[in-house]
Amino acid sequence: GGIITQTPKFLIGQEGQKLTLKCQQNFNHDTMYWYRQDSGKGLRLIYYSITENDLQKGDLSEGYDASREKKSSFSLTVTSAQKNEMAVFLCASRSGTGGAETLYFGSGTRLTVL
Amino acid sequence: GDQVEQSPSALSLHEGTDSALRCNFTTTMRSVQWFRQNSRGSLISLFYLASGTKENGRLKSAFDSKERRYSTLHIRDAQLEDSGTYFCAAESGGADRLTFGKGTQLIIQP
Repeated sequence: GGIITQTPKFLIGQEGQKLTLKCQQNFNHDTMYWYRQDSGKGLRLIYYSITENDLQKGDLSEGYDASREKKSSFSLTVTSAQKNEMAVFLCASRSGTGGAETLYFGSGTRLTVL
Repeated sequence: GDQVEQSPSALSLHEGTDSALRCNFTTTMRSVQWFRQNSRGSLISLFYLASGTKENGRLKSAFDSKERRYSTLHIRDAQLEDSGTYFCAAESGGADRLTFGKGTQLIIQP
């Protein structure tokens, strides 16, 4: 089995601050994802990556940057945190392209912007 | 509009009853996955389907193989630990991205 580790678990930032969230997986999966979940709502795709150094925009990429430094890690940067923003950021991964595999999730990073 | 529509948005049941959750897709989808999110926010995969049905204990899921425009998740003999928010996520052809529904909040009461 494998695991997806997201750090930090909780992130408190100031308005306008640049914040970075990290995700590591040891499944040896090719594809990784960043989703945002607002309270009581579904998941919206921010960025995904099908291999090392690849980046694909999701539906919510504006205001974010991402980086796939190596196969096992995928980081997300909030370029300028918005005041009173609260959301959970979920990292996920799965094997291969073509969508034939189950998606596995990390436990999330909870962001609060003061 | 949303590509993935889940219903109902919320459901409250007593232990021992059966329920059915549904996802409709506005376009033909290649595959669907069902997840349960617990109170701590952890998302666990329940099923991945490219066609047909799958069953695991009291849970059973089906994906309309002909039109590929809807999927269902049936929960039999509901237990307290089934409480949580259930999400479906679907994928259209040629894409590596899944689109999530808004979820069904399921509450099981004694």
